[in-house]
Amino acid sequence: DAKTTQPNSMESNEEEPVHLPCNHSTISGTDYIHWYRQLPSQGPEYVIHGLTSNVNNRMASLAIAEDRKSSTLILHRATLRDAAVYYCIPTNAGGTSYGKLTFGQGTILTVHP
Amino acid sequence: NAGVMQNPRHLVRRRGQEARLRCSPMKGHSHVYWYRQLPEEGLKFMVYLQKENIIDESGMPKERFSAEFPKEGPSILRIQQVVRGDSAAYFCASSPLVETRNTEAFFGQGTRLTVV
Repeated sequence: DAKTTQPNSMESNEEEPVHLPCNHSTISGTDYIHWYRQLPSQGPEYVIHGLTSNVNNRMASLAIAEDRKSSTLILHRATLRDAAVYYCIPTNAGGTSYGKLTFGQGTILTVHP
Repeated sequence: NAGVMQNPRHLVRRRGQEARLRCSPMKGHSHVYWYRQLPEEGLKFMVYLQKENIIDESGMPKERFSAEFPKEGPSILRIQQVVRGDSAAYFCASSPLVETRNTEAFFGQGTRLTVV
């Protein structure tokens, strides 16, 4: 499994953008980069994923470095509901590892009113 | 379209009893994954099942834990002779495809097991 490094915690103010970094320097060429988040007392929730190009959806944007060794999840305008633990997860290619998500410690995002 | 349904949401068992956790995947999903989150720890993969088959159980403890996903009905995670260390949140996820590198997994709200 590719190893990931994320800040333990980050803080933001409501309505401001948030950039959550992730280092995955050992990622393989065919691994996708997934982001999930877990709100307090809830199950994980898919946020976004990508392979090489930057990706946008209604929740967030994902900026992937050209060498794919790092990526940044961008929340354009943080809300109180975005307070959660954010996980960056490279997904493995091949065999029975399909579907198995390897969660690290993630980044605890605190959003201040 | 209902999401992944887990029940019960909360389960209390005395040491030595059995715990049965149920997971109904999203409609049309035939791949189920179980994860465990111990207090103050991260989520850990336990087992991956397709209908009537265990595909990957590399994260399952060797004893007392078993999982099934029958042709009809929900997936069941069974813990026999529970101990205090089994107290955790157990999450189920489902996906429609085995190629989940390029799709998302949908998680349930979890079952919080407390062993007293």
